[in-house]
Amino acid sequence: NAGVTQTPKFQVLKTGQSMTLQCAQDMNHEYMSWYRQDPGMGLRLIHYSVGAGITDQGEVPNGYNVSRSTTEDFPLRLLSAAPSQTSVYFCASSYAGVSGYTFGSGTRLTVV
Amino acid sequence: QKEVEQDPGPLSVPEGAIVSLNCTYSNSAFQYFMWYRQYSRKGPELLMYTYSSGNKEDGRFTAQVDKSSKYISLFIRDSQPSDSATYLCAMSEDNYGQNFVFGPGTRLSVLP
Repeated sequence: NAGVTQTPKFQVLKTGQSMTLQCAQDMNHEYMSWYRQDPGMGLRLIHYSVGAGITDQGEVPNGYNVSRSTTEDFPLRLLSAAPSQTSVYFCASSYAGVSGYTFGSGTRLTVV
Repeated sequence: QKEVEQDPGPLSVPEGAIVSLNCTYSNSAFQYFMWYRQYSRKGPELLMYTYSSGNKEDGRFTAQVDKSSKYISLFIRDSQPSDSATYLCAMSEDNYGQNFVFGPGTRLSVLP
């Protein structure tokens, strides 16, 4: 049982490049979400999904795109990377509301 | 004013000390209160979960919620070096993750 798996763990991008951060869970959780973590800011919600085919925006969605074609996978796409998107990105999934969250180990992204 | 404020730390204590970590918030609609522990370069993991006001104890950890004062606390008794981590408070109005608000975190070091 792998839990929530994020790839890659580290990534350096040049401004304007695009990339996809992968997130997969093997717990059959309906709810999945993406957060970014910046120093002094806490975790902020980017996008979330309550099930396959359903996604919605969180607090900071600009510059990011998501889709949810299967229950297991929830990729996050950076459309045109900017230095302001330098951050640590966490994917999370849940089966039972706020008490059932499992986070991945994160992707550290640097945009130069 | 941020929606959730947390003692910034960092906090250093000797092994065996009692640790008090605190958060204040402004949104009186918050009903669900969580404490997460995050080790360096890892994702957050749920430590304590409380619904509405009151105390909850789990081993060496006690979570307190005072909704009248909009104040929550996490107490760690007999602190151990393995408790060295960043502690994040999180709150939600409902039982769904799209309304999670995280505090910025307090870094704790327990010195042997």
